[in-house]
Amino acid sequence: GESVGLHLPTLSVQEGDNSIINCAYSNSASDYFIWYKQESGKGPQFIIDIRSNMDKRQGQRVTVLLNKTVKHLSLQIAATQPGDSAVYFCAEYSWESSYKLIFGSGTRLLVRP
Amino acid sequence: NAGVTQTPKFQVLKTGQSMTLQCAQDMNHEYMSWYRQDPGMGLRLIHYSVGAGITDQGEVPNGYNVSRSTTEDFPLRLLSAAPSQTSVYFCASSYSPTDTQYFGPGTRLTVL
Repeated sequence: GESVGLHLPTLSVQEGDNSIINCAYSNSASDYFIWYKQESGKGPQFIIDIRSNMDKRQGQRVTVLLNKTVKHLSLQIAATQPGDSAVYFCAEYSWESSYKLIFGSGTRLLVRP
Repeated sequence: NAGVTQTPKFQVLKTGQSMTLQCAQDMNHEYMSWYRQDPGMGLRLIHYSVGAGITDQGEVPNGYNVSRSTTEDFPLRLLSAAPSQTSVYFCASSYSPTDTQYFGPGTRLTVL
């Protein structure tokens, strides 16, 4: 499939290590945040979300941390696997933005075998 | 249950041509949206709809029209294609903006 995000920042990790992908969001009024995973040639796929009244949420092998003070969001992937190689996007939403979900520019995760 | 479907998968247009990108979902979702994705730019919202008969502009609406006559369908129309519209286009749907959005496989458009 067509490659997207040719100039994205890249995080390279060893298989089995933990990965941390960071995202700085822009709107202090944003109250809902989502992480998406996009594999080459496919549409984005939901990973995990978090609302602004929380600072941490855990899923299967993934954890999202929210620091509203510095407007920072992170995605932690435990025991990274080759299948985790993809581009990861954070997205933010606020009632002020009139139903618009705004995406960040993304980070490419490469998992070395 | 097919989820979100998009047609065509690939399209090449000449400058000035018009065309419609199709998007359909069978999940009875009220919220649908169109994004374009350029290298290094992430996804940018073009237009969205909160239900049949209701549409609104996103971040980059110029050069595109949408309509929402049914809950299932949300076509995106390019009025007069320009090379700047070369991109990958994704349609998404969800019950509401704060519910999980499901994305289609994308349409890769090239405008010469």
